[in-house]
Amino acid sequence: ETGVTQTPRHLVMGMTNKKSLKCEQHLGHNAMYWYKQSAKKPLELMFVYSLEERVENNSVPSRFSPECPNSSHLFLHLHTLQPEDSALYLCASSQDQTASGNTIYFGEGSWLTVV
Amino acid sequence: GQNIDQPTEMTATEGAIVQINCTYQTSGFNGLFWYQQHAGEAPTFLSYNVLDGLEEKGRFSSFLSRSKGYSYLLLKELQMKDSASYLCAVPDQTGANNLFFGTGTRLTVIP
Repeated sequence: ETGVTQTPRHLVMGMTNKKSLKCEQHLGHNAMYWYKQSAKKPLELMFVYSLEERVENNSVPSRFSPECPNSSHLFLHLHTLQPEDSALYLCASSQDQTASGNTIYFGEGSWLTVV
Repeated sequence: GQNIDQPTEMTATEGAIVQINCTYQTSGFNGLFWYQQHAGEAPTFLSYNVLDGLEEKGRFSSFLSRSKGYSYLLLKELQMKDSASYLCAVPDQTGANNLFFGTGTRLTVIP
């Protein structure tokens, strides 16, 4: 139990569907992240929120849309995805995005399959 | 930018010692992290090195040489449960310290 909870753990969606991934952290952290993990590729940072403000968007296609309503919750809204978007999506949080030694705590991940 | 190199896979025997190497290139250095990730689970933090030398935490130790751009994770008295991927990561240089990960080393411990 890392203090970061993601739902759903598994999601299968069609290319025309709209779905959302949810993340909640119980650690009192100020920064939250979405990472994508594909087979045999390194973890890729997608979005960063610090104090509920988006501070980074790493050239992610617009079919992925993040939302951070408060410092404890983070969503990733998905629409018109492609099969190559199938991956493990990891949410993470850290105390402070800019501090040295900024340890990141990950959730269990949401396995997404696009059919 | 950043670049991280790790071996893709390693195999070791239960009870043995294994060393997982990581070399990195980064325009500025602000520490190096090791994470462990079991199949289908979240990565979990193992260690953070910012100064040269060896840091020991029980059966796991992590070493850093900043001048060589090199780190290793040393696992002693290997157990079957140590079979996992080990991810080396460095903060990126945007000033935000977001972590940049290597592809990870998948370690298989055999009886």
